[in-house]
This record gives sequence, C-alpha cells and structure tokens, in this order.
Amino acid sequence: DTGVSQDPRHKITKRGQNVTFRCDPISEHNRLYWYRQTLGQGPEFLTYFQNEAQLEKSRLLSDRFSAERPKGSFSTLEIQRTEQGDSAMYLCASSLEFSNRPYEQYFGPGTRLTVT
Amino acid sequence: DQQVKQNSPSLSVQEGRISILNCDYTNSMFDYFLWYKKYPAEGPTFLISISSIKDKNEDGRFTVFLNKSAKHLSLHIVPSQPGDSAVYFCAARQGAQKLVFGQGTRLTINP
Repeated sequence: DTGVSQDPRHKITKRGQNVTFRCDPISEHNRLYWYRQTLGQGPEFLTYFQNEAQLEKSRLLSDRFSAERPKGSFSTLEIQRTEQGDSAMYLCASSLEFSNRPYEQYFGPGTRLTVT
Repeated sequence: DQQVKQNSPSLSVQEGRISILNCDYTNSMFDYFLWYKKYPAEGPTFLISISSIKDKNEDGRFTVFLNKSAKHLSLHIVPSQPGDSAVYFCAARQGAQKLVFGQGTRLTINP
C-alpha cells in the first residue's frame, strides 16, 4: 500500500511564472484535499474533491489558483502568475469515503514552492 | 479567526516521562478531532483521533482526552521516546470534510 505521493518535492520559480503540482492519492481513496502550510502555521484548507467533482473551495484559493482531478485519480494544482506570497508548502491528502473512519486524512510529503 | 489553537509553541520533556500536548477550540460544531505528527521535510502523519461524543481514546502509548464543556483536548504520550521529537498538530473536522489545524507544538524529548 503506497502512500500519497506528490511531485515535485521542491519548486523554485520566478515571480510571474506559472507552476503546476501533481498529487497521487492512496489508490482506493476517492476523496482528495489540497492544503497550504506556511512557516510556523498549521496546514490551511484550499480545496476538496470527491471523485472528480470539486466540492469545496476556500476563499484562500484566489482566481490564480486552479485544481483539477479529471478522472477521479490524480490531481493537479496550478498557480498562475506566481507571487512571493505564494511561497509555502503545498500538501495533498486523501481519504476513503466508505470506511469506518472517513474523517481520517492521509498526507503526502508536500511540494515546497519558493517564489523569487 | 483561529478556531483551533495550540498555545504552546514548544515543549521539552525527559525521555521516559509523560508528554502532554494541549489544544483549545472555539467551534462547538466540530465532530471529530485528530492529532498529527510532523517531521521536517515530511507531510503530517496521522496519530490518533476522537469523536466529539467520546471523552477518551487510547492507542498504545498515545491517549487523547476531550473535554467538550471546556472545548479542550489533550494528547498524552507515555512513556516519551526520542523518536517522538517532532511537531504535533491538533486538527478538527468542520463541515463535510475540511480539517482545521492548530499552529503546532514542537515536542523535544531529551535523553
């Protein structure tokens, strides 16, 4: 049973460039979440998918952010026209809706984004 | 609006003793609470959870206590081991699936 994987692990980009991150959830998990974590803070919710449907988005997810999960498996998070304030760790998590503990989310290692 | 708070940024405990990490929350609609452990350069690892209808859940060396009237939960680790040194996050489920996290407490276990 492989865990949640994320790619890349690190990304350095210049302000104004677009970046895309990928998340592969635990294979049987149908729910997928994106969080952002900045230094000294806990993870903050960005968005949530159930299968391929994006069911909830945080107000933190500005128009420059878009997330997709086209076939209900892997997901991508794209940030357009990056700003220095986007520098953070982007975490992906997954969970299984029909389990005895559907509230437990399992996290990947994260993608650390640095915008210069 | 910090709905989940961990007021101690750090905690230092001697190996073999009990570690107690605390968490306070404001939203009485949270239905599940979870503790995660995080090592540097890794994602958070799930440790233990508790339903809002329970007041205690135990798993090996880890026990979580929930006091709903005080809107307070705590994680007890007994006995503490050097490998327990990490940042611990308290989280609460809000709505269908979102988790709301505290700021974290860095636990250091001293030999």
